[in-house]
Amino acid sequence: DAKTTQPPSMDCAEGRAANLPCNHSTISGNEYVYWYRQIHSQGPQYIIHGLKNNETNEMASLIITEDRKSSTLILPHATLRDTAVYYCIALGEEGGSEKLVFGKGTKLTVNP
Amino acid sequence: NAGVTQTPKFQVLKTGQSMTLQCAQDMNHEYMSWYRQDPGMGLRLIHYSVGAGITDQGEVPNGYNVSRSTTEDFPLRLLSAAPSQTSVYFCASSYTGVYEAFFGQGTRLTVV
Repeated sequence: DAKTTQPPSMDCAEGRAANLPCNHSTISGNEYVYWYRQIHSQGPQYIIHGLKNNETNEMASLIITEDRKSSTLILPHATLRDTAVYYCIALGEEGGSEKLVFGKGTKLTVNP
Repeated sequence: NAGVTQTPKFQVLKTGQSMTLQCAQDMNHEYMSWYRQDPGMGLRLIHYSVGAGITDQGEVPNGYNVSRSTTEDFPLRLLSAAPSQTSVYFCASSYTGVYEAFFGQGTRLTVV
């Protein structure tokens, strides 16, 4: 599975968009990009995933570059409750929850 | 919907004691996994199961046993607790080939 690289920390003002980058330059054609977040002391929470096309759901948008070497998770109107560690994970099609390998992620702090 | 339920939420053990961390899911997921999370580190996979009667080791299996007699339950057993097993434990479940995993709220274990 491809390795991903994320900045260790980011800050965002409440109400503004939070754009979290992820580099996955070695991603292969059948690997999806998954995003999870972990709010302090809680279990990780699935946010969104995508393969090639941009994706949007009620929580966030995922923008994947055309060459698929990087992606950006966008929280359109960040709130204080979005303060969390965000994990970007690149995975192929086999397996299940046991294939999730969480790196250090990006600690996002939303400031009032 | 209960999702993934872990019990207990907190536990203090003495070195050498044994205990079982419970995990139950009501989503009929085939895959279930146990992770541990230590301060400043990501989640590390302990054991996982791809279905009833099938289990396998993850990254850090030593000192832990698992079994999967039903689809719903995946208990994690500590046979002889050690201080190095002080950690927060998370259980997760998902469908086969899908990495949208659901996590429990965690069990905070302290071994003194």
